[in-house]
Amino acid sequence: DVKVTQSSRYLVKRTGEKVFLECVQDMDHENMFWYRQDPGLGLRLIYFSYDVKMKEKGDIPEGYSVSREKKERFSLILESASTNQTSMYLCASKRKALGPPYEKLFFGSGTQLSVL
Amino acid sequence: LAKTTQPISMDSYEGQEVNITCSHNNIATNDYITWYQQFPSQGPRFIIQGYKTKVTNEVASLFIPADRKSSTLSLPRVSLSDTAVYYCLVGDKRKTGANNLFFGTGTRLTVIP
Repeated sequence: DVKVTQSSRYLVKRTGEKVFLECVQDMDHENMFWYRQDPGLGLRLIYFSYDVKMKEKGDIPEGYSVSREKKERFSLILESASTNQTSMYLCASKRKALGPPYEKLFFGSGTQLSVL
Repeated sequence: LAKTTQPISMDSYEGQEVNITCSHNNIATNDYITWYQQFPSQGPRFIIQGYKTKVTNEVASLFIPADRKSSTLSLPRVSLSDTAVYYCLVGDKRKTGANNLFFGTGTRLTVIP
């Protein structure tokens, strides 16, 4: 089965710090995603990448950037962390679907980030 | 994006069949219906997808009426380990990624002993 690995399970950072969240998938998937999950708000898409060095903004890209230098790795960067970025961050990947199932995402276990 | 509406929470006793209904009145011709399951402290997991009629796999069944304006996820004989949040999503098969899937807050199913 697909494995999506996020580098940290828990992370505590200070306001203003630059934060890197790393995600690696092992199934040669073309597409990778970063979501954040907050109580009462569900999952919200931050950024999406459909190929190496390619990216698209999701619903809430403000305050975030991403990097995809290799196919298996997708990094989320908080340029200057703020307290309102305290959240659970979930990485996902999926193959480029030519037939069903469509949009079958494989998620990592998440990184709970606390910004103090 | 086709909007979906599902109950916020449901309770069920162990061993019962659970049906979670999702409403998607604005579903379009190229949209597929997908359900994900999320256990505490884990990312969501794809469980089933369908376009029309009935789909069954080892985890669940998905019933979709002819007008496709709703769908029902059926979990047979639930156990405590089925306690999770269940998300109903509608997405266009021609698209991917950004702005194609909206997870929302899902339905929190609690299975009671």
